[in-house]
Amino acid sequence: DAKTTQPNSMESNEEEPVHLPCNHSTISGTDYIHWYRQLPSQGPEYVIHGLTSNVNNRMASLAIAEDRKSSTLILHRATLRDAAVYYCIRAIERTSGTYKYIFGTGTRLKVLA
Amino acid sequence: GAGVSQSPSNKVTEKGKDVELRCDPISGHTALYWYRQSLGQGLEFLIYFQGNSAPDKSGLPSDRFSAERTGGSVSTLTIQRTQQEDSAVYLCASSLDVGSYQQYFGPGTRLTVT
Repeated sequence: DAKTTQPNSMESNEEEPVHLPCNHSTISGTDYIHWYRQLPSQGPEYVIHGLTSNVNNRMASLAIAEDRKSSTLILHRATLRDAAVYYCIRAIERTSGTYKYIFGTGTRLKVLA
Repeated sequence: GAGVSQSPSNKVTEKGKDVELRCDPISGHTALYWYRQSLGQGLEFLIYFQGNSAPDKSGLPSDRFSAERTGGSVSTLTIQRTQQEDSAVYLCASSLDVGSYQQYFGPGTRLTVT
């Protein structure tokens, strides 16, 4: 079962780091891990993605466990504008070269001023 | 440049009617995706296109749902004999290619079935 699980909600204080976990225990070697977020009343927007190594960009960092069964999205300093639903997604590559996308249920992040 | 556009932005239809939802991807993007988001729920993956072909249709909720893409560009999601449970926001996204590529989402079409 290709489940991707996330906590339903998390809270953080403004200007503190936030660690958003995602469990993808059945991941295979060629599955990419993507993170998107959805701000209120908007479409989802890309945050970051990775395969095996940890990744950094201007928005966030992605820490991937050595066994790849879990990953953590890290927001280094949460701001009120980071309040959103964060989705962890597996892009599963099949032997045919096609892809199947498995979405987590999303974590609603609340940032407290 | 222009982003992903979807039309109509809102659609209200009576139960049992057919509806067509349109998506215009970013020019040059070979991959196109359809998602559904029911009120207060997460994203549900429906189908994706690589070029004009849809390798995996298993995410479509029922045989009342179909999608096509022509010319490697515009895509149409068709829902036949709409039901009230089809009410949701239908989101379209596109990316340069599948797999590791960033998806760009459109604003969505809010479908209400009365």
